[in-house]
Amino acid sequence: AQSVTQPDIHITVSEGASLELRCNYSYGATPYLFWYVQSPGQGLQLLLKYFSGDTLVQGIKGFEAEFKRSQSSFNLRKPSVHWSDAAEYFCAVVLYGGSQGNLIFGKGTKLSVKP
Amino acid sequence: GAGVSQSPSNKVTEKGKDVELRCDPISGHTALYWYRQRLGQGLEFLIYFQGNSAPDKSGLPSDRFSAERTGESVSTLTIQRTQQEDSAVYLCASSYGGHYGYTFGSGTRLTVV
Repeated sequence: AQSVTQPDIHITVSEGASLELRCNYSYGATPYLFWYVQSPGQGLQLLLKYFSGDTLVQGIKGFEAEFKRSQSSFNLRKPSVHWSDAAEYFCAVVLYGGSQGNLIFGKGTKLSVKP
Repeated sequence: GAGVSQSPSNKVTEKGKDVELRCDPISGHTALYWYRQRLGQGLEFLIYFQGNSAPDKSGLPSDRFSAERTGESVSTLTIQRTQQEDSAVYLCASSYGGHYGYTFGSGTRLTVV
């Protein structure tokens, strides 16, 4: 079945430490890939997206993500985490012709930041 | 408007009552989604509208749930005979098309007491 997997439900990192949030998808073709962030009590904000071309994409708030076709992954990274980055992060894919319209989300990774 | 607007932002209703949730998408956006997010959970797909095509209703959890959208404008999600398990944040998103990414509203927090 087509799916988006975020294997880490909850991650805690220290402020200033580096961060990597994992995302894997299972599709035959390369979908369009997105990362969204949801702060407590807020809606979802788009961090970055990948359509084609350079496999390393830059987003807002100092985030970046790298698409690796061989691993069917689109991991989110940040070199130095700030306390304000504490939030829930969702990986999503767009696949034309699929069920559920064409936008499918992973179950999310909650990020906690230690002082 | 500049973003996706959802109303009301909060709704408390008694079990068994009907509720209507409204979503105003960004002008010109042809695609519109409704999602449900229970406390501490991920996003649960409900329904998807794309232009004038028949909506994808495959995510609606029961026949108590329905949604309408007139053309490419406002959408209304209706929950009849609400139950306590319907308590959640209902999120709406719109887009020109999938590869542009989707803009989300701030959601409606529904509490059924």
